[in-house]
Amino acid sequence: DSGVTQTPKHLITATGQRVTLRCSPRSGDLSVYWYQQSLDQGLQFLIQYYNGEERAKGNILERFSAQQFPDLHSELNLSSLELGDSALYFCASSRTTLYNEQFFGPGTRLTVL
Amino acid sequence: DAKTTQPPSMDCAEGRAANLPCNHSTISGNEYVYWYRQIHSQGPQYIIHGLKNNETNEMASLIITEDRKSSTLILPHATLRDTAVYYCIVRDSGTYKYIFGTGTRLKVLA
Repeated sequence: DSGVTQTPKHLITATGQRVTLRCSPRSGDLSVYWYQQSLDQGLQFLIQYYNGEERAKGNILERFSAQQFPDLHSELNLSSLELGDSALYFCASSRTTLYNEQFFGPGTRLTVL
Repeated sequence: DAKTTQPPSMDCAEGRAANLPCNHSTISGNEYVYWYRQIHSQGPQYIIHGLKNNETNEMASLIITEDRKSSTLILPHATLRDTAVYYCIVRDSGTYKYIFGTGTRLKVLA
């Protein structure tokens, strides 16, 4: 158990819908990262927050947005969902923003029908 | 963007050392190399990271070439539970994006 929690574990929805994925980092970790892993693909970095501020942005679509709240939990919002958005979405956290190991949550499996 | 290149798959006999290479020729001088592994569809697990010097921990050793353009992760005595996809990761110094390669699928054979 990494100490990072993600909810929900599974999510099934339809095209065009909007969903919110939630992540609670390990106690004391200030950075949160979001990743997307499509079927049989590698991990794609989406976005990083540090202490509430956006720190780095990766290959995140404009239909996706994220934020980190004052209590340090984070949410990833996915809107106008398409079939290709079906994937595993991982959240990770680390102590700070530099040279740190990241602890990954168990992921949310999103299926868009 | 920074980039990493890894062989897609490797086999290793149980009890032998597994040596997993990674090319990261575009890494900048002050960025670390990180290694993670992923078993099935679980969240990736941190293994080790390094900057210039070789590193060792209870899980593995990391050998980084002097020019820092490549590195090798060594699992000294591979077990069946080490069967996983191993990712070599670098951070792009300009955008701070973490770049995961496609990973090496290591199969440890009994």
